[in-house]
Order: sequence, then structure tokens, then C-alpha cells
Amino acid sequence: QQQVKQSPQSLIVQKGGISIINCAYENTAFDYFPWYQQFPGKGPALLIAIRPDVSEKKEGRFTISFNKSAKQFSLHIMDSQPGDSATYFCAASIWGYQKVTFGIGTKLQVIP
Amino acid sequence: DSGVTQTPKHLITATGQRVTLRCSPRSGDLSVYWYQQSLDQGLQFLIQYYNGEERAKGNILERFSAQQFPDLHSELNLSSLELGDSALYFCASSERSGSLTGELFFGEGSRLTVL
Repeated sequence: QQQVKQSPQSLIVQKGGISIINCAYENTAFDYFPWYQQFPGKGPALLIAIRPDVSEKKEGRFTISFNKSAKQFSLHIMDSQPGDSATYFCAASIWGYQKVTFGIGTKLQVIP
Repeated sequence: DSGVTQTPKHLITATGQRVTLRCSPRSGDLSVYWYQQSLDQGLQFLIQYYNGEERAKGNILERFSAQQFPDLHSELNLSSLELGDSALYFCASSERSGSLTGELFFGEGSRLTVL
């Protein structure tokens, strides 16, 4: 059972464009939603995270939008750069219980 | 550098064999997690240990087992290997001295190839 559904699985964006990755979850007990970034040959690393008490969180060019009623959240990468080319995982967990459930991942390629 | 060390980085073995993957967590982290990454399944949670004790179990096969030692390093044992066990196995750690931040720190993974 895939508790966190992520789409698309691959994405090609032109340099300077906006990359959008969407995720949906099923377990209403989830209350912590991180995004991880993984470069080839490396392990995933935390990029940005949100708790459901806010609908949006922005860090530089990266923004998480969160819709609690729809049980959906998304990552927007503004002014996408070739250096952003990586695999992005959305995830969800219950705060205090560190088991993190990951989406299937989105391979982003930003072309010049 | 996340501070999490995994060995070996690459491992090639035959079906039916047994291998052990090792993980040293970030200094001070009490929790260790094991994840399996394959192309069609993404990151699948296998098991979590906290300060030596099993805390959560995910989709871990009966052929697989893990433990966390008193010095907090962890080992994942994979036995009776099958072709489908070929994957990247990640270790992650968190909860430095009981402080909860929500962030997992991943190692660079151990790539297992079963022939």
C-alpha cells in the first residue's frame, strides 16, 4: 500500500522555469511533511519540510504548498537551474515517531 | 557529508548467499533506520532501531534481519539472496541525544548486486 503518492516520476524543465512536483497522502495522522533531494551516487538529504499548521513554506527558490483538506502537498522550484537536477522525494511521518514514509521519487532534469 | 558511514559501497554476490551491510550513524544519534531503494519502489522503509532496541518495522523480509550494537552502529543481514534483492540499501540516523528534529541523515548507500 503506497501511503504517499508522488507524481510525476520524471520531469524535464527548461532553465529558469518552474518545476512542480505533487504528492498526496492517505494517513490523516501524518503531521510532518519533508522533501528530500538526492543527487546521483549520494544519499537523500533534507531540502525543506512543513507542518500542517501552515499552508506554505518558502526557502529561497523552494516552496512547499500544503492543502490539509485535500491531503495534498507540492514542491515548487522557481527559476530552476541545471544544478537542481536530482531526484526529489516527498515524505510524511507522524511527529515523534521517526518512521518516514517516502513517495516513489521524481527525477528532475533541468536543461539549459 | 552527512556523518553517516556505510560499508561496503558496492557488493556483488550470488543467489543463495548471505551478506552483511554495516552502518555507523552520526555521532550522538540514537536512531538508525534502514531503507531499500529500487527503481520501481522508491525508498522502502525496512526497520528502525533506537538505542539498541527495535522501534519500528516496515516491509522487511523474514530473510533479512538487523541489529544495533551498544556503540550504536548497526548491521543489516540479508540471507538466501534472490535476484530481486538487488538494490541500494540506505542507512539513516537521527535523534542526537534524544533531540527530535524530524530530519533523517542518510549515508551514501550500499549497492547490492545479486547474480
